[in-house]
Amino acid sequence: AAGVIQSPRHLIKEKRETATLKCYPIPRHDTVYWYQQGPGQDPQFLISFYEKMQSDKGSIPDRFSAQQFSDYHSELNMSSLELGDSALYFCASSPILLTPNYGYTFGSGTRLTVV
Amino acid sequence: TQLLEQSPQFLSIQEGENLTVYCNSSSVFSSLQWYRQEPGEGPVLLVTVVTGGEVKKLKRLTFQFGDARKDSSLHITAAQPGDTGLYLCAGGDQGGKLIFGQGTELSVKP
Repeated sequence: AAGVIQSPRHLIKEKRETATLKCYPIPRHDTVYWYQQGPGQDPQFLISFYEKMQSDKGSIPDRFSAQQFSDYHSELNMSSLELGDSALYFCASSPILLTPNYGYTFGSGTRLTVV
Repeated sequence: TQLLEQSPQFLSIQEGENLTVYCNSSSVFSSLQWYRQEPGEGPVLLVTVVTGGEVKKLKRLTFQFGDARKDSSLHITAAQPGDTGLYLCAGGDQGGKLIFGQGTELSVKP
């Protein structure tokens, strides 16, 4: 069965550079969530999209932006990178918004290292 | 702000022992989900509990959702080295996003 695909798996950037992370949800999943997980931390919610519209926003810095495209894939754009942005970034998808009864399928994540 | 307190944070046991992980909150959640995460990988869903008092079993794993939908537990019977990993509870809010507990790092020694 198809899973959530994230790319790239690993990314190394220098401070003040820009990074773009991509997420391809499971087919027919219309909701995408982005989470950030620092070393030894639990995942923290960043932002979510439903039917290409932003549906909720968490602790996402103003330097970050995201969008969901017509094919439902999503991109997380991160500018003016800081050392503290180094983390695992996960994307998750689910078939229904506002029905958290369903579990989420997470991608394998993108490990971003800012040097 | 909804918070989930997960305990214990670390657990080291011998193969064959039983264990219970707890997830508590002062808030009511629409659902409670349990995930297992391997290093460098995304969380993998184990179970979702929705109804207060609900109990679900997955082989040697038993999940409970409190009557008031504020707490949950994961019980593992006869733990095996293959159970080693990070276990995360997560509460689903009405908006759909998940709020995670701090996780329980389980180590099962042969």
